[in-house]
Amino acid sequence: SQQGEEDPQALSIQEGENATMNCSYKTSINNLQWYRQNSGRGLVHLILIRSNEREKHSGRLRVTLDTSKKSSSLLITASRAADTASYFCATDVATDSWGKLQFGAGTQVVVTP
Amino acid sequence: DAGVTQSPTHLIKTRGQQVTLRCSPISGHKSVSWYQQVLGQGPQFIFQYYEKEERGRGNFPDRFSARQFPNYSSELNVNALLLGDSALYLCASSLLAGFPETQYFGPGTRLLVL
Repeated sequence: SQQGEEDPQALSIQEGENATMNCSYKTSINNLQWYRQNSGRGLVHLILIRSNEREKHSGRLRVTLDTSKKSSSLLITASRAADTASYFCATDVATDSWGKLQFGAGTQVVVTP
Repeated sequence: DAGVTQSPTHLIKTRGQQVTLRCSPISGHKSVSWYQQVLGQGPQFIFQYYEKEERGRGNFPDRFSARQFPNYSSELNVNALLLGDSALYLCASSLLAGFPETQYFGPGTRLLVL
């Protein structure tokens, strides 16, 4: 079973619009990370948010974390066609060694010109 | 600087065969992790190695094994291949283990088992 679950499974928007996707998880975490994957290739790290943080920004990306609700959201503002990809949240839950990431099934985002 | 590299990029095997996948981490990174990504799903953790020692293992059968070399590169071996082993195998490296930090992923090896 997967720790994180992204919602929605798929998202279609036009260039310039904002894209929001959510991630829910089941157990306590050390940190939560968001990754992007283009066409089944390698994963690109977007942002890491620690369990004691509530919000982080990186360029056009904004991530929030609500540990009481065990959920996170990723907002991409002013989307571009190049943002077309699958987006995954990954939680780091290990108590003895960090770095064992548990991924959700991902949100597939399509940005049309 | 070179990122994480993996070889080969694609591989076709038949059931029952054995396969070895290779990974070179980013220079200076001492931790390597392996993930399996089946089509349509998120990656699943297989192994983590740090300083040549296994630090963690996911819920995979003993047919899966790995090792890390003195130069921190790593190999993933899968014996007695099954059709269900067809997947994208991803390697990730990080500077340390036991510390919350970014993992950098390679492009993956796509394995097809016929």
